[in-house]
This record gives sequence, structure tokens and C-alpha cells, in this order.
Amino acid sequence: GQNIDQPTEMTATEGAIVQINCTYQTSGFNGLFWYQQHAGEAPTFLSYNVLDGLEEKGRFSSFLSRSKGYSYLLLKELQMKDSASYLCAVRDRYNQGGKLIFGQGTELSVKP
Amino acid sequence: DVKVTQSSRYLVKRTGEKVFLECVQDMDHENMFWYRQDPGLGLRLIYFSYDVKMKEKGDIPEGYSVSREKKERFSLILESASTNQTSMYLCASSFEGGAKLFFGSGTQLSVL
Repeated sequence: GQNIDQPTEMTATEGAIVQINCTYQTSGFNGLFWYQQHAGEAPTFLSYNVLDGLEEKGRFSSFLSRSKGYSYLLLKELQMKDSASYLCAVRDRYNQGGKLIFGQGTELSVKP
Repeated sequence: DVKVTQSSRYLVKRTGEKVFLECVQDMDHENMFWYRQDPGLGLRLIYFSYDVKMKEKGDIPEGYSVSREKKERFSLILESASTNQTSMYLCASSFEGGAKLFFGSGTQLSVL
């Protein structure tokens, strides 16, 4: 079956660091994605990991361990505008659509 | 700039009506997807298409059908709308083998 788990909600303080975890069990694997979604808006792409290790992009980093079926998104120097839902998604194959399977999302609240 | 356009932002329909949700992308993408998003359930894939006239069922296809007569347009059809189809519907597209999905701004459908 297909299963992607992430915490439902998290709270953090402005300026701090937060780590959002994601575990997955899928029938195939061709990459893990993180998307950000502000309330009432469409999801926007944050990061993509297909090999093990850490990918850094400014204040955001994403880590993948394929053997453990595990990823995390790390947000540094949190800002109020980072309050949003963070969606973990796995692509099950490379071709013929390569559909993304999403977790339920983690609602992050950043407090002053 | 990349653009995925959904024809309506908000839609109100009555139970039993036939409903068409339209999505157009201007990026010459091969793949197109329809998701629905519900609180606590995340994004769930309804149908997707990786080529003109090709379609494949996602995780929750019951009660829906799709049409892809032209590469740029992917339509979602609710043959006989029911109240449990009240949801946010998101269309997305990507290149074949592409790393990211581009999302439309969504259609909030209410079935009364």
C-alpha cells in the first residue's frame, strides 16, 4: 500500500529552527518532494530529493534516507511568513505520469 | 511565467447536477493531474493523464471521470454531484519525467 506520515501540526518561535519529519511506505520510489501551501492558495514547490543526503536551499534544507523511508524539512531563522502547511509527497515512478502521493500536511504556526 | 488556470475559483452546485471543472496549462506539459484536498486528509489523486486521450485512475476515482482531448486541457467531470464531493479541487501539470508539479489556484466546489 501507499502511506505517507507527517505530524499534523507544529508550533515554533520566530527566529528559531524547526524540523518537519516525513516517513513513507510506497510501492515505488522516484523522488521525494516538499511543498509549501499558505491558507487559500495553491501548493508551491520547495525541494526535491532523489538521492540520500541533504539538499540546502537558503533557509530551507531537505534530507532523505531511502533505506529508512524517511525525510525531513528543516527551516532555519523562522519568519512569520513561514506559517503555512508543509506537504511531503513521493513520486512513485519516473514515467507515464509519475504521480505524486501526498501526506496529509503539517500545519506550522510561527509565533512572535 | 508558468501558468495553470482553473476556470472557476468558487462553484456552487446542487445534488445530482453534472459538473465540469476545467484546467488549462500553457507550458506544453505532458502530464496533468486532478487532486482534491480535504481537511485532515491532504491531497488525494483522483485521475491523471500522461498524454492526450490517455487517462489513469488515481486513488479516489469513484464518482468522477476525465477528458483530455487536447494537450493543454484536462477536464474533471462529476456525472451526478453529491454532497460528499464538496471539496477543494486542484489541477496540476508537469513535464514527462519532470521534477515538479505546477498547481492551479484551485476550485472550491460546494454541492448542496
